[in-house]
Amino acid sequence: GAGVSQSPRYKVTKRGQDVALRCDPISGHVSLYWYRQALGQGPEFLTYFNYEAQQDKSGLPNDRFSAERPEGSISTLTIQRTEQRDSAMYRCASSPNGYEQYFGPGTRLTVT
Amino acid sequence: GQNIDQPTEMTATEGAIVQINCTYQTSGFNGLFWYQQHAGEAPTFLSYNVLDGLEEKGRFSSFLSRSKGYSYLLLKELQMKDSASYLCAVTTSGTYKYIFGTGTRLKVLA
Repeated sequence: GAGVSQSPRYKVTKRGQDVALRCDPISGHVSLYWYRQALGQGPEFLTYFNYEAQQDKSGLPNDRFSAERPEGSISTLTIQRTEQRDSAMYRCASSPNGYEQYFGPGTRLTVT
Repeated sequence: GQNIDQPTEMTATEGAIVQINCTYQTSGFNGLFWYQQHAGEAPTFLSYNVLDGLEEKGRFSSFLSRSKGYSYLLLKELQMKDSASYLCAVTTSGTYKYIFGTGTRLKVLA
């Protein structure tokens, strides 16, 4: 069956621009997570959704980062006024039960 | 605060057994996970422990001791395809946050 998909897979943007990263979870998965992963590091938690409700956003680094999941399926992570330090791999994961997570292929964001 | 420690790198021989350790410090422990991540790919779920003891799943087993803040992942009959990073992660009660370690890069040699 179809796994978690993310788009775009690669995004290059100039400093100061806004970017929107999309995550399409596995159909029927209630839980959705966003992570940021630096090379050679484990994923860093950003935010969590249960259906459309954002139940934990404690990992969002600052108010330039926001996420939504309006219909409880597709989610968008938005970064406003991007900075070079935002360059990273952004991954989303979905889960049927809040335990095992199925990760997407990620969006590699480069801010120039 | 919360902290997870794993060795950075390990090397083992094809057909052997390897044990990857993970120690954690957290309040309100609610579960420990192991994920495998091949270079350039997404992490994939291996195991989940919430109670003390050993969980076995094929060639892979995971052990947890909550009193010691300690877990290990045991890989038997190593194959070349097991060369990957192995990530330990914990969750705590009252939060949906997963804290991942930096991962242990395992190289399996012929």
